Amino acid sequence: GESVGLHLPTLSVQEGDNSIINCAYSNSASDYFIWYKQESGKGPQFIIDIRSNMDKRQGQRVTVLLNKTVKHLSLQIAATQPGDSAVYFCAENNYGQNFVFGPGTRLSVLP
Amino acid sequence: DAGVIQSPRHEVTEMGQEVTLRCKPISGHDYLFWYRQTMMRGLELLIYFNNNVPIDDSGMPEDRFSAKMPNASFSTLKIQPSEPRDSAVYFCASSLGQTYNEQFFGPGTRLTVL
Repeated sequence: GESVGLHLPTLSVQEGDNSIINCAYSNSASDYFIWYKQESGKGPQFIIDIRSNMDKRQGQRVTVLLNKTVKHLSLQIAATQPGDSAVYFCAENNYGQNFVFGPGTRLSVLP
Repeated sequence: DAGVIQSPRHEVTEMGQEVTLRCKPISGHDYLFWYRQTMMRGLELLIYFNNNVPIDDSGMPEDRFSAKMPNASFSTLKIQPSEPRDSAVYFCASSLGQTYNEQFFGPGTRLTVL
């Protein structure tokens, strides 16, 4: 087995609080970004996306912010619930090239 | 609607054996992707197909790995011979178009090579 692995950043929040998950992307030419949620034992699931001509996009309880100047993406989850506990990945895409996934952040919702 | 279907969900095999992972993409999707996820490297793209044709296999780690897509509704990822370091979760994903379109992931196959 593997004795050394990725140390996933972990964010712990109280149920009902807002969560902010951050992601630094690598390619300044990337023009499309997706946030995925991965629950234990499941595949990644789409949450929200944003194109580079926008700096903010809102969904249901989620908001994605894009700062192209510093190549930073964030996912805000309002009123975090126990069901939000998962690993969250950002993925970037550069004009039709393949998606590159970040290492992920583990969100732990405390009761 | 059935999502992306993968089989088996779990596979335990011994070093040196051949392993075949299977994937059925979402009907109508023209792109299919194979990923590998490990704690060491995270989520890595192995290979992807467009309209059943392999487009980029630069992520395939070695000649021991091969992938095929004989038709629009079926793809396989084969490892022969398997090694313990191949132990990982293998995901298949499909999408309609490549750019500006989300990829739909299957539940994954957890492979353990002893």
